[in-house]
Amino acid sequence: QSVLTQPPSVSGAPGQRVTISCTGSSSNIGAGYDVHWYQQLPGTAPKLLNNVNNNRPSGVPDRFSGSKSGTSASLAIAGLQAEDEADYYCQSYDSGLGDFVFGTGTKVTVL
Amino acid sequence: QVQLRESGPGLVKPSETLSLICTVYGGSISGYYWSWIRQPPGKGLEWIGYVHHRGNTKYNRSLRGRVNISVDTSKNQFSLKMSSVTAADTAVYFCARDFDPFDYWGQGILVTVSS
Repeated sequence: QSVLTQPPSVSGAPGQRVTISCTGSSSNIGAGYDVHWYQQLPGTAPKLLNNVNNNRPSGVPDRFSGSKSGTSASLAIAGLQAEDEADYYCQSYDSGLGDFVFGTGTKVTVL
Repeated sequence: QVQLRESGPGLVKPSETLSLICTVYGGSISGYYWSWIRQPPGKGLEWIGYVHHRGNTKYNRSLRGRVNISVDTSKNQFSLKMSSVTAADTAVYFCARDFDPFDYWGQGILVTVSS
């Protein structure tokens, strides 16, 4: 059972903007630890979407943007495309556990 | 471009030790931390632990005592050993560079625990 909670699924039509939430607590996101997002296409390894200081690694479109407020974080996907259909995971550090933790994961469906 | 590749047995018997190796291509293992992460079929991701090229380690609290991660700089490899495995350890095991974030990942290897 993860300490970072995400909605199980999010959907949108092509071209729409969707947002995925990642809800944590005062021992992880609320403590100021970075939140990173990963995209996992079916049958493949996760791919990092945002680096330290929320910078995008080379090759990640600027349609993906991360933000953080209080004990929560969000990933926004603008101009949704069919190729964005995947599972998305948030990740941070939890000082209470002393572990690096992943969110529960969100499946994005393009209608 | 750094590439990672996991290798090892795809089937391990209950109570035995799971052993995997991750080989790093296109870059040196020195100067970085190297991690193992797993994903049970149809489920989410779980960080297992990391090793620095100088050998210091950190493990997931829930797996501490069963897991050992080590590095072999001469072969540009690092390895995972997990003892006393059960069916709950059946998962795709990924190796990755660094931690927080994990910036490069291997393709993953499915390890099934079954007699």
